[in-house]
This record gives sequence, C-alpha cells and structure tokens, in this order.
Amino acid sequence: AQTIHQWPVAEIKAVGSPLSLGCTIKGKSSPNLYWYWQATGGTLQQLFYSITVGQVESVVQLNLSASRPKDDQFILSTEKLLLSHSGFYLCAWSLRLGASAETLYFGSGTRLTVL
Amino acid sequence: SQWGEENLQALSIQEGEDVTMNCSYKTYTTVVQWYRQKSGKGPAQLILIRSNEREKRSGRLRATLDTSSQSSSLSITGTLATDTAVYFCATAPSGSWQLIFGSGTQLTVMP
Repeated sequence: AQTIHQWPVAEIKAVGSPLSLGCTIKGKSSPNLYWYWQATGGTLQQLFYSITVGQVESVVQLNLSASRPKDDQFILSTEKLLLSHSGFYLCAWSLRLGASAETLYFGSGTRLTVL
Repeated sequence: SQWGEENLQALSIQEGEDVTMNCSYKTYTTVVQWYRQKSGKGPAQLILIRSNEREKRSGRLRATLDTSSQSSSLSITGTLATDTAVYFCATAPSGSWQLIFGSGTQLTVMP
C-alpha cells in the first residue's frame, strides 16, 4: 500500500526566517508529485508539480521554491518567509497516466503560521 | 455553485436529508473530480466522472457531468453527520498536470 508522509505537522515561524517542508511517498514508483497551498477557509492552489526526479514546474509565484531530490521525496522551501505564507500546505501524488492530472492522493498537511 | 473567485458556499441541513452541490468550470475538460476535505485533513477523492459517463454513482453519492454547459453536480442521499466537510470539484485542462480546484462548498449535517 502507498503511504504519504508530510513533515512537520505544524510550524510557527517568524517573518524573514527560512522554511523547509517535506513529503515522502512510499510504495509507489515514479509518481507525479504536487504541492498545494490552502488559506484558512479557502480553496486549494497548486504551487508546483514534478513528473520526474530533478524536474519541478512552478504554477504560481509565491516566493517559494520546490525540489525533488529523490524519486519519493518532494521539498518545499523559502529563504525568507512572509506573513502571506501562512496557511495549510499539502503534498500529493498521482499516477502518471495519460497526459492530464487525475486522482490525487493527499498527505495530512502542514499547518504554517508566520508571525 | 462553486468556481473561480466565488466565496466558499455554505449549506446546513439535517441528518437524513438529501443534498446537491453544483460546480461550473471554465476550461475544457473531459474529467471532473469531486473531493471531500474534513477539518484539518487533506482532501480525499470521492468520485471521478468522465465526459462519456454523464452520471456516476458510488454508494450514497451521485455525480453528473454536462460538458455542454461545463457544469457538474454531486448529490448525497441520506446524509449523515459524518458527511460534514468541505466538498470541492476539480478539473485538469486536457494535457495539463494542473488540477484546478473550485472554491468549495461547506456542508454541515446536523444530527
């Protein structure tokens, strides 16, 4: 069975401090990986996606970056946090079928509060 | 209905009632997905419907898709308090890895 693990569960950080969030997928080879951001009470906004190791595509510019150092690992980071970075960050994976995104399997998320 | 810049919609019903949530989308797609997100958790897919299906059922859930009007609906029959969640529709433009979520419907089912 496939499992997706996100870390940390929650973070409280100061404006201007660095951030690194992680995600690991076990039990699935070469998945597509995604990062989403969700404001409180808001919809899910896709930030990045990756279809292979070392290749990451940016969907929106939020002063964040992402990397895929291993087939099963996806990292979201920034050197300087802004207040607007607060929210719920979700990692997800999907099978690489066809040419369009279909079923996404989400992790439990990381709650980030920037003060 | 949910989409685009609309604020989160909210519905409040009694347990046992039926409910229908609507969604309209802007870009051409042949697949609409419905997800449920419970408080503090990641979303989970409920149903995926393709343009050649028009209607799809899964247990108490029924989804419809009308590509001509670019709209979809999700119905839940005999709601339970545990159905309380935010429901999102989502589409991926053909040939895209971007899954775009609607604004969501907050459903509260009171016991």
